[in-house]
Amino acid sequence: GDSVTQMEGPVTLSEEAFLTINCTYTATGYPSLFWYVQYPGEGLQLLLKATKADDKGSNKGFEATYRKETTSFHLEKGSVQVSDSAVYFCALSVYGGATNKLIFGTGTLLAVQP
Amino acid sequence: EAGVTQFPSHSVIEKGQTVTLRCDPISGHDNLYWYRRVMGKEIKFLLHFVKESKQDESGMPNNRFLAERTGGTYSTLKVQPAELEDSGVYFCASSLRLAGGEEQFFGPGTRLTVL
Repeated sequence: GDSVTQMEGPVTLSEEAFLTINCTYTATGYPSLFWYVQYPGEGLQLLLKATKADDKGSNKGFEATYRKETTSFHLEKGSVQVSDSAVYFCALSVYGGATNKLIFGTGTLLAVQP
Repeated sequence: EAGVTQFPSHSVIEKGQTVTLRCDPISGHDNLYWYRRVMGKEIKFLLHFVKESKQDESGMPNNRFLAERTGGTYSTLKVQPAELEDSGVYFCASSLRLAGGEEQFFGPGTRLTVL
């Protein structure tokens, strides 16, 4: 079945460090890919998405490129801030005409220290 | 525009009791989804409503879980009787369209603890 694998956390970085959170997927169809973020005490919110191969999603300095050849959607940011501390979830959906449920990875906790 | 709201934010019950969670989607969103995250693991899909109809309930764990969406507005998820393994965070989400790449808007979640 369809699945998402993302790197285990927690990831601890100093402010202004470079961030990469790896995400790979398995899908029978042609998925759309998402990164959702959950800040402390809040619900999930969409960070960025990509709907076809080679698309790059970007938002708030974060980027991820849909790589079909490596079935990956790694999240990157060039310079993290303390305010980026959160749990990051990689997800996919395969729309087959009936449902577009999201399939999530386990989440990666990011802690950014000043 | 109000976001997705969930009630209660926390619930602590004893094994064998009944709990009902409520979700109010964004107004006008026909699609409503329930997910849950157990023990810090991945967030798992439970079911999907389109208006008042259950479009996909393949993720419902067993018949102790009953979801309804009467009138196609808010939804409830009842757990009866609750078991220890039902503890976790239950998320509700809604979306305007049923399409590939469509964003789902999430509520803050209900943290359920079964003792």
